[in-house]
Amino acid sequence: EDQVTQSPEALRLQEGESSSLNCSYTVSGLRGLFWYRQDPGKGPEFLFTLYSAGEEKEKERLKATLTKKESFLHITAPKPEDSATYLCAVQANDYKLSFGAGTTVTVRA
Amino acid sequence: EAQVTQNPRYLITVTGKKLTVTCSQNMNHEYMSWYRQDPGLGLRQIYYSMNVEVTDKGDVPEGYKVSRKEKRNFPLILESPSPNQTSLYFCASSLLRTDDNEQFFGPGTRLTVL
Repeated sequence: EDQVTQSPEALRLQEGESSSLNCSYTVSGLRGLFWYRQDPGKGPEFLFTLYSAGEEKEKERLKATLTKKESFLHITAPKPEDSATYLCAVQANDYKLSFGAGTTVTVRA
Repeated sequence: EAQVTQNPRYLITVTGKKLTVTCSQNMNHEYMSWYRQDPGLGLRQIYYSMNVEVTDKGDVPEGYKVSRKEKRNFPLILESPSPNQTSLYFCASSLLRTDDNEQFFGPGTRLTVL
């Protein structure tokens, strides 16, 4: 069975204090690893797709990296508007999608 | 505007009363999917579909049915809802291309089964 584990569950940061979120996974054939951002009461919003180990993608203050067993989402110099729950998901070769429980990030001004 | 719509957004019902939550997308996406989100458990996939008349079970399909008669629509059916199906439900869609498979999510349907 495919499994996705995210850590930590919650992260409190001071504005400007960089940090990393972890997503470790086991999957029977990886089609892609996804990162999403979710604000309270809303649907997840797509951030990145990573397809193979060694791949990196960046968007503003966010950078996602991928190895064969885990992915990291690095938040550089976060701002209060980066406060959200960040979700990691893996898609297997049969197109089934499995999500982690998420990391809730709070950035204080 | 490219979007995924769900209806209703909020629903309170009673045990055993059949209900349908509709999902529609206007992006000509092949892939559509239903998830439920519960505190501490994250998003769990219920069913997914890769095209018309093709559906597959996700991780938590028990108690749910789906159909894909048209490409744009993917309704979720609860034949006999029970209180443990109280949850926040999301529909999503995407292309099946390897280089472009961003999933677009709907706004969610909050279901309460009494």
